Amino acid sequence: EAQVTQNPRYLITVTGKKLTVTCSQNMNHEYMSWYRQDPGLGLRQIYYSMNVEVTDKGDVPEGYKVSRKEKRNFPLILESPSPNQTSLYFCASSRRLSNTGELFFGEGSRLTVL
Amino acid sequence: KNEVEQSPQNLTAQEGEFITINCSYSVGISALHWLQQHPGGGIVSLFMLSSGKKKHGRLIATINIQEKHSSLHITASHPRDSAVYICAVSIYRDDKIIFGKGTRLHILP
Repeated sequence: EAQVTQNPRYLITVTGKKLTVTCSQNMNHEYMSWYRQDPGLGLRQIYYSMNVEVTDKGDVPEGYKVSRKEKRNFPLILESPSPNQTSLYFCASSRRLSNTGELFFGEGSRLTVL
Repeated sequence: KNEVEQSPQNLTAQEGEFITINCSYSVGISALHWLQQHPGGGIVSLFMLSSGKKKHGRLIATINIQEKHSSLHITASHPRDSAVYICAVSIYRDDKIIFGKGTRLHILP
């Protein structure tokens, strides 16, 4: 089954404790991206990657890091989480963004930073 | 001003009604996406458009590139269509995506 898998789905942590949210897709997609969703603000792009070892900042990259060492994986790293990073996070992938790039989303990861 | 604007923000209708959700954008795009998000659920892609019109079951999406406007129509609406519908655009010659704030649709039985 074609899918994008995120882990963990739910996480409560404390300020400053490094954490990683994993994202994996089994569709051999080139494009992968991370978004956060906040009430009243909608979805905003954090980082995206067009291929292995190629990553770019989205609209809200501050406080986040990513890496793309393998095509199927695109982890989101919070080196020193802060309460304003409490949010619902989605990973998505796409075959090619511009032309036939239907977006496939993971189920979301709800993060709370105390 | 947001680069992607959706209207209405909230919509309540009776089962069976014809529903229209609008999306206007102010940037050059290579594609426009319509997404569906059920309460507490994940996000599903309904359509990706770069021109014209697409139909899938009771859902129809249209786009007018000159007017920078897209509509999502639902015919014979059903309570299971209750969800948030999100318009998103892929920026031309860029790989960024910008989202509208969504339209919350509630269909009453």
